Amino acid sequence: ETGVTQTPRHLVMGMTNKKSLKCEQHLGHNAMYWYKQSAKKPLELMFVYNFKEQTENNSVPSRFSPECPNSSHLFLHLHTLQPEDSALYLCASNRGTEGNTIYFGEGSWLTVV
Amino acid sequence: EDQVTQSPEALRLQEGESSSLNCSYTVSGLRGLFWYRQDPGKGPEFLFTLYSAGEEKEKERLKATLTKKESFLHITAPKPEDSATYLCAVQASGGSYIPTFGRGTSLIVHP
Repeated sequence: ETGVTQTPRHLVMGMTNKKSLKCEQHLGHNAMYWYKQSAKKPLELMFVYNFKEQTENNSVPSRFSPECPNSSHLFLHLHTLQPEDSALYLCASNRGTEGNTIYFGEGSWLTVV
Repeated sequence: EDQVTQSPEALRLQEGESSSLNCSYTVSGLRGLFWYRQDPGKGPEFLFTLYSAGEEKEKERLKATLTKKESFLHITAPKPEDSATYLCAVQASGGSYIPTFGRGTSLIVHP
């Protein structure tokens, strides 16, 4: 238990579906992150929120839409995805200050069919 | 631009055969260096944070060390359950709290 919980753990969706990934952290952190990890590829930073404000959007396609209603919750809304979007999506959090460790959730495995 | 290079990309060891993983970094000012272990299909699990050159931290068979240019993760007498991908990340000074990750080292320990 890392204090960062992601749901669902596994998701299969069609290219025309709309779904959402949810992340909740119980660590009192201020910054929350979405990363994408494809098979045999390094971590790709997607979005960063600090105190609910988006501070980083790493040129992510608009079919991925993040939402951060408060410092404890982060969503990734998915629509009209492509098969190449199939990957492990990781949520993470830290205090949003220098030298502060980032903690990850277990990830959500997404398969787009 | 901050850079993190991990080597080797993959490492195969026999059980009990000690070795080291390397993480070389280039940052404008190091605020923290982090090591993680990642099992297949799971999120990275935090292992250590190092803040300054000369610092060392240990956990079971793992020991992390830090110099001004690189960090080593030493694995002493590894067991098959140590098989995983080990990730290194750095955080630079200048107000950014977002870490830069390396590509990882895939470790397989054979019984």
